[in-house]
Amino acid sequence: DQQVKQNSPSLSVQEGRISILNCDYTNSMFDYFLWYKKYPAEGPTFLISISSIKDKNEDGRFTVFLNKSAKHLSLHIVPSQPGDSAVYFCAASERRGNEKLTFGTGTRLTIIP
Amino acid sequence: DTAVSQTPKYLVTQMGNDKSIKCEQNLGHDTMYWYKQDSKKFLKIMFSYNNKELIINETVPNRFSPKSPDKAHLNLHINSLELGDSAVYFCASSPRTTQETQYFGPGTRLLVL
Repeated sequence: DQQVKQNSPSLSVQEGRISILNCDYTNSMFDYFLWYKKYPAEGPTFLISISSIKDKNEDGRFTVFLNKSAKHLSLHIVPSQPGDSAVYFCAASERRGNEKLTFGTGTRLTIIP
Repeated sequence: DTAVSQTPKYLVTQMGNDKSIKCEQNLGHDTMYWYKQDSKKFLKIMFSYNNKELIINETVPNRFSPKSPDKAHLNLHINSLELGDSAVYFCASSPRTTQETQYFGPGTRLLVL
């Protein structure tokens, strides 16, 4: 039972353009959402998060949008840079501070120079 | 100055063997985790320890036994290895106040032949 879904396994974007990565979830108890970034042969690293009381959180080039009614979130990267090429995992927990994260299967983003 | 380290990075072994993976974090975190990433790229939590005490134990076969000698270490011992145990195993840790922000090790790639 996959409670967090990333339906696009891969995405290619031209350098300088906007990258949009999508994530859907089914568990209505999820209350806190995170994005992790993973380079080959490394572990995931935390990128940005959002609480369900917000619909947007911005950190530099990265913005996460949350649509609770649609159970959908997205990560926007503007402008995309070659160093952004990585696998991006969406994750969710039932509350902030809850150590149990449920991850999606990831989207491989390739930035084309 | 590696924050979360795992040994070994690669492990190739025969079915039926017993093996251990070690994890150490030098971040002073209270909580440590073991995750399994299978061939379908699902990253699923297996165990979580807080100050050497088991707090999450997902549905994992009894052949898997975590051991936390102190709060900086969480080792994973696997008995009677099976083909299906082949995966990448990630260790992670998180601070008490923001347990959803987890710091991952580089992963241990286990191949059971």
